[in-house]
Amino acid sequence: DAKTTQPTSMDCAEGRAANLPCNHSTISGNEYVYWYRQIHSQGPQYIIHGLKNNETNEMASLIITEDRKSSTLILPHATLRDTAVYYCIVVDNYGQNFVFGPGTRLSVLP
Amino acid sequence: EPEVTQTPSHQVTQMGQEVILRCVPISNHLYFYWYRQILGQKVEFLVSFYNNEISEKSEIFDDQFSVERPDGSNFTLKIRSTKLEDSAMYFCASSLRLTGELFFGEGSRLTVL
Repeated sequence: DAKTTQPTSMDCAEGRAANLPCNHSTISGNEYVYWYRQIHSQGPQYIIHGLKNNETNEMASLIITEDRKSSTLILPHATLRDTAVYYCIVVDNYGQNFVFGPGTRLSVLP
Repeated sequence: EPEVTQTPSHQVTQMGQEVILRCVPISNHLYFYWYRQILGQKVEFLVSFYNNEISEKSEIFDDQFSVERPDGSNFTLKIRSTKLEDSAMYFCASSLRLTGELFFGEGSRLTVL
């Protein structure tokens, strides 16, 4: 089973920041937080991952709380093409058995 | 940009027939995976493959399923005798490192009639 909980759905206005929360209260010290998204029925697309520190790349920012029990994915300027299901996944150093939960369905509205 | 490619994009088959889904992972990647997604449901892990052997598999991956890396570039998933409930989108993925991000293909849609 997925080790994360996410809201089922969220809306965001185009051009605004989309903040997607994820709870992973049972995360252990060697586990990473990964974010993927799936646009319609396409293959999941990697977005970003982190261990302890906040991370930023060209797609998004990842904010991990100090206790690592939750994180937030931030899409700084959401566009209509960011409408997708976003998955937060916790993975350890040894297991590549990524377990996808139901994710958050983000709808970016014009 | 390198990508994972899958063929066919859509296959329709009769129940009981054998199906082979093909994947070409990113060329320097070492770890290979199959996932499936039944329409409207979650993405589910099937199997991971490294160094020419299965490293992990889920309960879904029963004796009807097998994987193979027949040459240096292809990675295949075979379903020996398809069932109606095998109808799903099958995604192949690859990664360079054990802890690296997975790169997914666009999927092969299997419809079993």
